[in-house]
Amino acid sequence: EAQVTQNPRYLITVTGKKLTVTCSQNMNHEYMSWYRQDPGLGLRQIYYSMNVEVTDKGDVPEGYKVSRKEKRNFPLILESPSPNQTSLYFCASREPYRVAEQFFGPGTRLTVL
Amino acid sequence: AQSVTQLDSQVPVFEEAPVELRCNYSSSVSVYLFWYVQYPNQGLQLLLKYLSGSTLVKGINGFEAEFNKSQTSFHLRKPSVHISDTAEYFCAVTLGGGNKLTFGTGTQLKVEL
Repeated sequence: EAQVTQNPRYLITVTGKKLTVTCSQNMNHEYMSWYRQDPGLGLRQIYYSMNVEVTDKGDVPEGYKVSRKEKRNFPLILESPSPNQTSLYFCASREPYRVAEQFFGPGTRLTVL
Repeated sequence: AQSVTQLDSQVPVFEEAPVELRCNYSSSVSVYLFWYVQYPNQGLQLLLKYLSGSTLVKGINGFEAEFNKSQTSFHLRKPSVHISDTAEYFCAVTLGGGNKLTFGTGTQLKVEL
């Protein structure tokens, strides 16, 4: 089954404690991206990656890092989380320029105390 | 730059009544338009899309949307809603042939008995 998986699905942490949210896809997609969803703001793109070792900033990259060492994985790293990063995070994948066929992960709800 | 406006943050409606969720976009070039639905505690699911061709687009669960280029709108409609349609709905746009998907702020549809 074609899917994007994220782990963990729920996470409560404290300010400053480094964390990683993993994202993996089994469709051999080149393009992957991370979004955060906040009430009243919709989904905003954090980072995206066009292919292995190619990453770029989205609209709200501050406080986040990503890496793309393998095609299937695109982890989101919060080196020093802060309460304003409390949000619902979605990973997505597709082929480049095939926006209509974007697959979303199930989401990770992060709370930073 | 492309942008999307969803004017209604919440839309309450009684079961079996018709509903329209409004979406306006801003772009001077051709666009692709999408509606996504997010059921409570779930990820995003593509409801329908407009890429080209007929301006009336039919999607899943009885929803449809009409692309109106002169009014730069892509409103979502359903003639008779059900309790199970209670969800948040996101309009999204990308430039034709482009690679970035921009989301609106979302409309919470609440269907009441």
